[in-house]
Amino acid sequence: GEDVEQSLFLSVREGDSSVINCTYTDSSSTYLYWYKQEPGAGLQLLTYIFSNMDMKQDQRLTVLLNKKDKHLSLRIADTQTGDSAIYFCADLNKGTYKYIFGTGTRLKVLA
Amino acid sequence: EPEVTQTPSHQVTQMGQEVILRCVPISNHLYFYWYRQILGQKVEFLVSFYNNEISEKSEIFDDQFSVERPDGSNFTLKIRSTKLEDSAMYFCASSEEGPPLHFGNGTRLTVT
Repeated sequence: GEDVEQSLFLSVREGDSSVINCTYTDSSSTYLYWYKQEPGAGLQLLTYIFSNMDMKQDQRLTVLLNKKDKHLSLRIADTQTGDSAIYFCADLNKGTYKYIFGTGTRLKVLA
Repeated sequence: EPEVTQTPSHQVTQMGQEVILRCVPISNHLYFYWYRQILGQKVEFLVSFYNNEISEKSEIFDDQFSVERPDGSNFTLKIRSTKLEDSAMYFCASSEEGPPLHFGNGTRLTVT
């Protein structure tokens, strides 16, 4: 079945760039999403990319999509302590509008 | 900005009891969803709901689960006889005609 995989942890220093990676298996994806989950909170939509795009930039966030390798990444420039959270990659299945989530990557930003 | 609200934020119940988790989706949204996240595991799809009926459900969503939109604003998830393994964070989400989904802050269900 469809699957989305992410590395579990990432630690960066404040001011550095963070790159969170995601791979997916569904070849019929239409959109791919990044959600942020802060402790005790819900899933906050950060950004998304349509499957026919290679890159999308939104302020400090850059999403890169390699459709051939089914690889998605989220780059956060000038990472701040407030960026510490769990980041989920999610694939939207074209037929069902059902999200398949990755395990989430816990980003820790060191001051 | 409009948001999805869920109540309660934390529910503790005994095994075998019925629970109802409540959600108020964003007012002009047409599609409604429940997802759950068992501690340390992935966020999993449970069910989607459109036009007053279930449009899709996962294998997890067995006869113990039901959803309802009783009054045009609330969207509820009922678990009839809770089991220990139902302990999880339950997220409600809604969307307009299509994506993206907007999630609530979740209800943490603890079954003892």
